[in-house]
Amino acid sequence: QKEVEQNSGPLSVPEGAIASLNCTYSDRGSQSFFWYRQYSGKSPELIMFIYSNGDKEDGRFTAQLNKASQYVSLLIRDSQPSDSATYLCAVKGVGGFKTIFGAGTRLFVKA
Amino acid sequence: GAGVSQSPSNKVTEKGKDVELRCDPISGHTALYWYRQRLGQGLEFLIYFQGNSAPDKSGLPSDRFSAERTGESVSTLTIQRTQQEDSAVYLCASSQGPISQETQYFGPGTRLLVL
Repeated sequence: QKEVEQNSGPLSVPEGAIASLNCTYSDRGSQSFFWYRQYSGKSPELIMFIYSNGDKEDGRFTAQLNKASQYVSLLIRDSQPSDSATYLCAVKGVGGFKTIFGAGTRLFVKA
Repeated sequence: GAGVSQSPSNKVTEKGKDVELRCDPISGHTALYWYRQRLGQGLEFLIYFQGNSAPDKSGLPSDRFSAERTGESVSTLTIQRTQQEDSAVYLCASSQGPISQETQYFGPGTRLLVL
C-alpha cells in the first residue's frame, strides 16, 4: 500500500463547476497535510495546509481533513481554466520533517 | 527576497559519468530537502537537512547518491556513475524550520537526462 494515494485522473470539470480532489494516507500518526499545485514543466507551489479535523477555506479553495478516515480533500469552487494543473497531496508525520507526496491528480477545467 | 535557485537547469550526461547538482535555499531557511520527480510521477523524497543536525538520508535510492550542505547555505547532490534510470527532474526545497506546518518553497529543478 502506498503511503499517500491519489486518483491520477485526469479529472475533467467544466468552467464554473466544483472540482473535488481526494487523498488518503496510511500513517495514522500523520500530523500535517498539504496541497500543492504543479503546472506542467513547473515546480510545485503550496495552495493550502491543514492540520486540524474539519474544513479550512481560503478563497475558492477548501481543504477538508478527516483523521479518523485518514482522508484529506481539496475543493475548488468556480473552477477556472487556469486551475488546470496537477494537484499533489503531501503528508508530514510525527517528527514533522519528512514529507511524503502522492503521485498527483491531473485536473482539466474546460472553458 | 530571492527564491530557491538551482543549477544547472538542464544537464545531459552519458551513462557512467558523475553529475553534481546545486541548490541555493532561501536565505535564513534552516531546512533543505531534495526530491526526485520522474516523468508523470509524484515527488520522491531523497534527503533532508536541518541546521547542523545529521541529515536524514533515508530516501537516497543507492550509494551512488550523496548530498552535502555547509551550515545553512548551499547544498550539492552528487550522483556517481549515472544510469539511465536516474533521468528525472531533481527538485530542491527549503523551509524556515523543522516545524510540522512549515511550508516548503521549491526551486525550478534540474532536468537530468542520462543517455
